[in-house]
Amino acid sequence: KNEVEQSPQNLTAQEGEFITINCSYSVGISALHWLQQHPGGGIVSLFMLSSGKKKHGRLIATINIQEKHSSLHITASHPRDSAVYICAVIGGGSQGNLIFGKGTKLSVKP
Amino acid sequence: NAGVMQNPRHLVRRRGQEARLRCSPMKGHSHVYWYRQLPEEGLKFMVYLQKENIIDESGMPKERFSAEFPKEGPSILRIQQVVRGDSAAYFCASSPGAGRPGNTIYFGEGSWLTVV
Repeated sequence: KNEVEQSPQNLTAQEGEFITINCSYSVGISALHWLQQHPGGGIVSLFMLSSGKKKHGRLIATINIQEKHSSLHITASHPRDSAVYICAVIGGGSQGNLIFGKGTKLSVKP
Repeated sequence: NAGVMQNPRHLVRRRGQEARLRCSPMKGHSHVYWYRQLPEEGLKFMVYLQKENIIDESGMPKERFSAEFPKEGPSILRIQQVVRGDSAAYFCASSPGAGRPGNTIYFGEGSWLTVV
């Protein structure tokens, strides 16, 4: 079993829909990252969380440390949100020693 | 303020050759990380470096791979005697040296290595 599990693996939505991507992890963590990988391959860090909730524009990330679960929400989705969203945690290793989920491929149709 | 710069973006090497991938961190960042993304697989941590020091190389293959981050110049990931299985995207990331776990990290655009 992977230490970081994401669901769903693939997600297709219509423009304007509310989207939720889930991440569960089995290790103790100091922080969790949500990353976005564009179709061209580049990676952008969206959020780094250690507790609670963060919001940036149409993106919201939450984490429940007790439940070992995090969610990434996208409100009013748009085709430009189409990307792979990756959850990554800092477990017991060094701060850069991220453990990555396999990613959720999101496609938003106009 | 330029982001994390990686070059080359694309590199083709024949089996047995050496590949050198370079990474210049964001200005003011002294921590550099390398990750590998094999085709159809997720990202994996390789190595964490500070200037002139390897902090964590627990993800590096034991042979043929090395990394450095000299006092001057970019960080270099070096792969000797490449094999087809080394074909992957290699991402560099950097963070400020605040010493706190979980600093936001900034990724480069990646270097795609193809071994033929």
